[in-house]
Amino acid sequence: DAGVTQSPTHLIKTRGQQVTLRCSPISGHKSVSWYQQVLGQGPQFIFQYYEKEERGRGNFPDRFSARQFPNYSSELNVNALLLGDSALYLCASSLVAANTEAFFGQGTRLTVV
Amino acid sequence: GEDVEQSLFLSVREGDSSVINCTYTDSSSTYLYWYKQEPGAGLQLLTYIFSNMDMKQDQRLTVLLNKKDKHLSLRIADTQTGDSAIYFCASIYGGATNKLIFGTGTLLAVQP
Repeated sequence: DAGVTQSPTHLIKTRGQQVTLRCSPISGHKSVSWYQQVLGQGPQFIFQYYEKEERGRGNFPDRFSARQFPNYSSELNVNALLLGDSALYLCASSLVAANTEAFFGQGTRLTVV
Repeated sequence: GEDVEQSLFLSVREGDSSVINCTYTDSSSTYLYWYKQEPGAGLQLLTYIFSNMDMKQDQRLTVLLNKKDKHLSLRIADTQTGDSAIYFCASIYGGATNKLIFGTGTLLAVQP
């Protein structure tokens, strides 16, 4: 079985641009969460989606948005990129909405120049 | 508030036991997790413990939970060079989400 897949693996963008990151959860999992991991720190929660609805939102500006599709895959969008948005963006897949194991993908390394 | 703290670095010799410690603040956390991250990679779920348990053993891994002190530890027996990585402790925030609160990570260096 495939695990959590994220694309692309690496991305370089210029300040002010917009970026879309993609995630496919483990087959049968209905919840996807997004995390930002800045170098040297632990991951920070951005969003959780379950059954196509937003279940939770972290302390991130409105430039960050996400959605979940009927097949449970998800996209994370970041507008008006700043240098500080450079990070590893991780997607986590879980079977249900709460209190269950979360399995992570390999991440998308975003560099903003 | 929600916070998870870990020591930053641990160095052990191959074959010794490693103990990585973590403290958390959210007493409503139902599950506590340990993840491993190798350089340039995502997070690998190692093990987890439910909040009503004191201990969980899984092959070379032993998790101890002291709920009163909000202290969690991960013991790795017979540590190998392949165990060198960053280890993250994480607590579930609680409520109706699966939001994880991560510590800053402990870098485990295993000397041959």
